[in-house]
Amino acid sequence: QVQLQQWGAGQLKSSETLSLTCAVSGGSLRDYSWTWIRQSPVRGLEWIGGVRHSESTYNSSLKGRISISLDTSRRHLSLRLSSVTAADTALYYCARGVTVNLSFYLDVWGKGTTVTVSS
Amino acid sequence: QSFLTQPPSVSGAPGQRVTISCTGTISNIGAPSDVHWYKQLPGTAPQLLVYLNNLRPSGVSDRFSGFRSGTSASLAITGLQADDEADYYCQAYDNRQSASVFGGGTKLTVL
Repeated sequence: QVQLQQWGAGQLKSSETLSLTCAVSGGSLRDYSWTWIRQSPVRGLEWIGGVRHSESTYNSSLKGRISISLDTSRRHLSLRLSSVTAADTALYYCARGVTVNLSFYLDVWGKGTTVTVSS
Repeated sequence: QSFLTQPPSVSGAPGQRVTISCTGTISNIGAPSDVHWYKQLPGTAPQLLVYLNNLRPSGVSDRFSGFRSGTSASLAITGLQADDEADYYCQAYDNRQSASVFGGGTKLTVL
């Protein structure tokens, strides 16, 4: 059974870098889209990016600030988001995506990490 | 503003049938793009409810069914139960955004 355990700093100041890690236990890493999603009252659920077969894709609204990587030896998915502002305050989830053509669905989710950015 | 439009709330009595709509455009649902549905209980992560328009993961009740047509999709829940009370979200790929997008969510209240 695949489980995702995530952690990272929950309190940041504006301009700092958000850094979250998601440990994947069980199952294969191959052929899945390892994904970060965030949720806030203002923006709802938002796909922020993912990595599959060593190729990362990002939400264009975050390009230039975001980096997502998968360390297959440690089975860790990582998210780094630089120059954060209050608009990045959200509950961040890691999730496993099953890709079908261009679409994917998220069948396993982490419990979420709350990130709050203050000025 | 979400790329997929859902009603903010729906309600029904126990045992009744309700549907939740998800309206998109030709750049997402109408592209066509498969639609997926999630259920989220308070304080928990979303969980996959229906995928690829009308398929259910193992363990999900057949009271839940999905349908896609044109630029819209819907989730039907029959035989409403108290533990169906939750937020429900639709998701699809958007060609114009080159991203997967979500609906704004629908809060289901069981009266």
